[in-house]
Amino acid sequence: EVRLVESGGAVIQPGGSLRLSCEGSGFTFGDYTMHWVRQAPGKGLEWVSLINWDAVKTYYADSVKGRFTTSRDNNKNSLFLQMNSLRTEDTALYYCVKDRRELYYGSGSSFNVWGQGTLVTVSS
Amino acid sequence: SYVLTQPPSVSVPPGNTARLTCGGDNIEDKTVHWYQQRPGQAPVLVIYSDTDRPSGIPERFSGSNSGNTATLTISRVEAGDEADYYCQVWDPTTDPRDPHVLFGGGTKLTVL
Repeated sequence: EVRLVESGGAVIQPGGSLRLSCEGSGFTFGDYTMHWVRQAPGKGLEWVSLINWDAVKTYYADSVKGRFTTSRDNNKNSLFLQMNSLRTEDTALYYCVKDRRELYYGSGSSFNVWGQGTLVTVSS
Repeated sequence: SYVLTQPPSVSVPPGNTARLTCGGDNIEDKTVHWYQQRPGQAPVLVIYSDTDRPSGIPERFSGSNSGNTATLTISRVEAGDEADYYCQVWDPTTDPRDPHVLFGGGTKLTVL
């Protein structure tokens, strides 16, 4: 079974830092671009970042650029999101997401496996 | 920057056809993907690359993309189809060196 499990969500004060993790199983993790997508309470989906299969390329939404960093360890089938200078508007459920096509990112990028999400609450 | 526009809500009786739209400037030039999100659950990919259905998704779900509108069509709607539906595209137009992934705002499908 293909599976993604996120962890690391917490309640954190504005200005603080947090590191999310995601462990994949049931597929060759190192062959796929991975993404983070978030969803604020009662709101829609917002793409956060992507990292390609060998970690050479990373891209970020404008709302998190310069504050968030995504990385991966293919030896441990793991994806990470380092979040710094957190703001109240970063409060959301953060999903780890797998790209459908192997060794690819681009217009055909769709997300065929989602974790259950980890909740980040930024509040004083 | 590129914008995807979805109606906030659509309501249909069971057994009817639901047509959920996703509007964007010349969206036919882009590849559109669709997700279903039931309450309290993670999203599920229901259509990729405009018209293709992942394994396990019923044939009742179909997609099209023409002009400025992409459409997710759900035939013979069932109570279990009640969910939020999101369209998604890849957007390199703002800066090709810094592409983004965009989601529409989502449509809540209510089965009356």
